[in-house]
Amino acid sequence: GAGVSQSPRYKVAKRGQDVALRCDPISGHVSLFWYQQALGQGPEFLTYFQNEAQLDKSGLPSDRFFAERPEGSVSTLKIQRTQQEDSAVYLCASAIGGETQYFGPGTRLLVL
Amino acid sequence: AQSVTQLDSHVSVSEGTPVLLRCNYSSSYSPSLFWYVQHPNKGLQLLLKYTSAATLVKGINGFEAEFKKSETSFHLTKPSAHMSDAAEYFCVVRPKDQGGKLIFGQGTELSVKP
Repeated sequence: GAGVSQSPRYKVAKRGQDVALRCDPISGHVSLFWYQQALGQGPEFLTYFQNEAQLDKSGLPSDRFFAERPEGSVSTLKIQRTQQEDSAVYLCASAIGGETQYFGPGTRLLVL
Repeated sequence: AQSVTQLDSHVSVSEGTPVLLRCNYSSSYSPSLFWYVQHPNKGLQLLLKYTSAATLVKGINGFEAEFKKSETSFHLTKPSAHMSDAAEYFCVVRPKDQGGKLIFGQGTELSVKP
């Protein structure tokens, strides 16, 4: 596609629900990144894939967060048993190798 | 650890006047530095990047930044602000040997008055 797409754009979840956020990277981009942006803050790194391999998950805040990219293209970020502190915008970015990252519009998650 | 500090959380200028958004970085070696812009309800867009080539980097929409190693700074400037420049701006560092992840500053909100 022309750019990185993310779905859904908005998600409201009740505390304790599981959510799944999808990222479609730019075709051919090997690298894929997830970031979390809390209100009024800069984005913070969550995890990084090179093709289907998750090479760095040091930014995932807890074991309730899980990301996958099984075929080296589309990625899903899953949050289990959501908490209010998970409310944020989740950004996905893709890149050819480690160079310029192109960001999607984000998914705004609100946990009530 | 590498980091960036944006010295102003909010900057307000009048249309047609110069813009200066300040950023200092912390790194033990010459880093890769970026400026991204985020318009409301839109994705982050790369304005410019420094990767150890020319120290004065020109970006899109008339923005430029100068890498000053002696001052550990990477300030963003534009000679004349336009109303459409109103947005959130992020100074970003990419540490070497960490897979390409980006470390963002806290952001500077730029307001442009008519």
